[in-house]
Amino acid sequence: GDSVTQMEGPVTLSEEAFLTINCTYTATGYPSLFWYVQYPGEGLQLLLKATKADDKGSNKGFEATYRKETTSFHLEKGSVQVSDSAVYFCALSSNDYKLSFGAGTTVTVRA
Amino acid sequence: EAEVAQSPRYKITEKSQAVAFWCDPISGHATLYWYRQILGQGPELLVQFQDESVVDDSQLPKDRFSAERLKGVDSTLKIQPAELGDSAMYLCASSPPGQALGQYFGPGTRLTVT
Repeated sequence: GDSVTQMEGPVTLSEEAFLTINCTYTATGYPSLFWYVQYPGEGLQLLLKATKADDKGSNKGFEATYRKETTSFHLEKGSVQVSDSAVYFCALSSNDYKLSFGAGTTVTVRA
Repeated sequence: EAEVAQSPRYKITEKSQAVAFWCDPISGHATLYWYRQILGQGPELLVQFQDESVVDDSQLPKDRFSAERLKGVDSTLKIQPAELGDSAMYLCASSPPGQALGQYFGPGTRLTVT
């Protein structure tokens, strides 16, 4: 079945540091890939998505590229801010529309 | 911007009591999902509706959980009786047609069972 494996946290960074969160997946067919973000006490928000190989999703300075050859969708941001402190979830959706989530990576950015 | 609405935001109940959560999806979203998120984990799908029909409830503990979406719009998730292990965030999401478009989540209901 479909599954997502993402980098274990927690990750602690200083402001303006470079952030990478690794995500790899297993799926049949050609899934769509997503990154969701969850701020403290809130529900999940869609951060970015990619629907086919080599697509790059981007939003709020975050980027992720759909790499079919390595079955990966790593999240990156060049210069993080304190406001980026949150839990980040990698997810995929196959033909049945269900989302399969990774376990989440907690990111803390210190001023 | 349209949002998924959920209520209540927080609920504290004693074990063996009944509890219910409500969700109103984004208008026009035919697919509705209920997830359970245990602290420190990713969301786990409990039930998926397409309009008023259940598409997938394979992970729903049917001895105590029930879900309905009678008119194909808003939905209710019920737990009876609640157990200590049910303490979690319950998230509702909806999606437009097309699996590539993703799901849009509500703010969730945080349930604490004492």
